[in-house]
Amino acid sequence: TQLLEQSPQFLSIQEGENLTVYCNSSSVFSSLQWYRQEPGEGPVLLVTVVTGGEVKKLKRLTFQFGDARKDSSLHITAAQPGDTGLYLCAGAEGGYQKVTFGIGTKLQVIP
Amino acid sequence: DVKVTQSSRYLVKRTGEKVFLECVQDMDHENMFWYRQDPGLGLRLIYFSYDVKMKEKGDIPEGYSVSREKKERFSLILESASTNQTSMYLCASSHRGPMYGYTFGSGTRLTVV
Repeated sequence: TQLLEQSPQFLSIQEGENLTVYCNSSSVFSSLQWYRQEPGEGPVLLVTVVTGGEVKKLKRLTFQFGDARKDSSLHITAAQPGDTGLYLCAGAEGGYQKVTFGIGTKLQVIP
Repeated sequence: DVKVTQSSRYLVKRTGEKVFLECVQDMDHENMFWYRQDPGLGLRLIYFSYDVKMKEKGDIPEGYSVSREKKERFSLILESASTNQTSMYLCASSHRGPMYGYTFGSGTRLTVV
């Protein structure tokens, strides 16, 4: 099983601040996904990145896949309380898309 | 609205009981998955299925079995529930191919007493 390390594990920031969350592995992935999970609910897919070096933007969220397809980052600009949640990265291996999840980054945005 | 539906949000079962967790998806997805989520351990894959009547063990299959008799339904079975199976259980589905992400259900919080 490939190991995905996320950092930081916990993050508490003030509304309006910027932040970056990292997802790293020693293995190469065919794609990498980011999810957000709210308490008591299942994770919700935010984005899938497939190509090394790919950058995708979703409003104030910017996702980047590393050139070697081993790592990824999520940058949030001007964080809002609605961004609070658990952010999970997941790496897909092979053609059948079995993914391995990181433990997650728990983000709290304080109004 | 496309979705994955898990039959129960909360369940309390006694040690030794046989427990069935049901999951249904309406998106015609080929792949279906069962995960459990525990604090500090993240999501761990129990079993997955790429097609009807097909199943593969995940990382922690011990004490569990699955059934996929129809494309839209994937059931997780705890043969004899134990207290260490108290957890949040999440079902997910997806199309085949690395470019497709998962759609998750809302989860079943199972407590074994």
